[in-house]
Amino acid sequence: DAGVTQSPTHLIKTRGQQVTLRCSPKSGHDTVSWYQQALGQGPQFIFQYYEEEERQRGNFPDRFSGHQFPNYSSELNVNALLLGDSALYLCASVTSGRYTEAFFGQGTRLTVV
Amino acid sequence: AQSVTQLDSHVSVSEGTPVLLRCNYSSSYSPSLFWYVQHPNKGLQLLLKYTSAATLVKGINGFEAEFKKSETSFHLTKPSAHMSDAAEYFCVVSSQEISGGGADGLTFGKGTHLIIQP
Repeated sequence: DAGVTQSPTHLIKTRGQQVTLRCSPKSGHDTVSWYQQALGQGPQFIFQYYEEEERQRGNFPDRFSGHQFPNYSSELNVNALLLGDSALYLCASVTSGRYTEAFFGQGTRLTVV
Repeated sequence: AQSVTQLDSHVSVSEGTPVLLRCNYSSSYSPSLFWYVQHPNKGLQLLLKYTSAATLVKGINGFEAEFKKSETSFHLTKPSAHMSDAAEYFCVVSSQEISGGGADGLTFGKGTHLIIQP
């Protein structure tokens, strides 16, 4: 059983550019969340998608947007990249329900230069 | 609102000695609490979780944690450290309130870097 898969693993972009990161959830999971982990920090919640809609959002600007597809996979888009957007971006998937047991992908390391 | 405080940014122990990683939480609702481990260049792996059942929770690799509501703590322990335990450990809280399609986003502590001395 494949777990959560993310692509690409590494990415280098220039300030002002746009980037799209991709996530395939664990089999049987229908809810996807995205997290940003800056160097030396704990992951911070960006947003969560369920039934192709954004359901919860953390304290991130509108430059961060996402999408969920009918097969439950998800994309994270970041526009007008800033140097401060450099981080490890983690995708987590869960089965909708009362308790959270999130399975995480290995992340995409984004470097903005 | 919810928050997590990991009381030590770094903990260093000798191999074979006990491990204690401290975590305090704040939550407006009955929380679910978790410990995740992150090895270098690896994703996050769930060690154990508390979801309002037994207050002493056993996890993988010999780790366990005790939920103490009166102290709002969820400390992680292991009787005997192994070199392979060296990693970053995150205490995580989530409210149990049902919202949207599932639980709320997870709130992570800043992490504790565990160093194992030979």
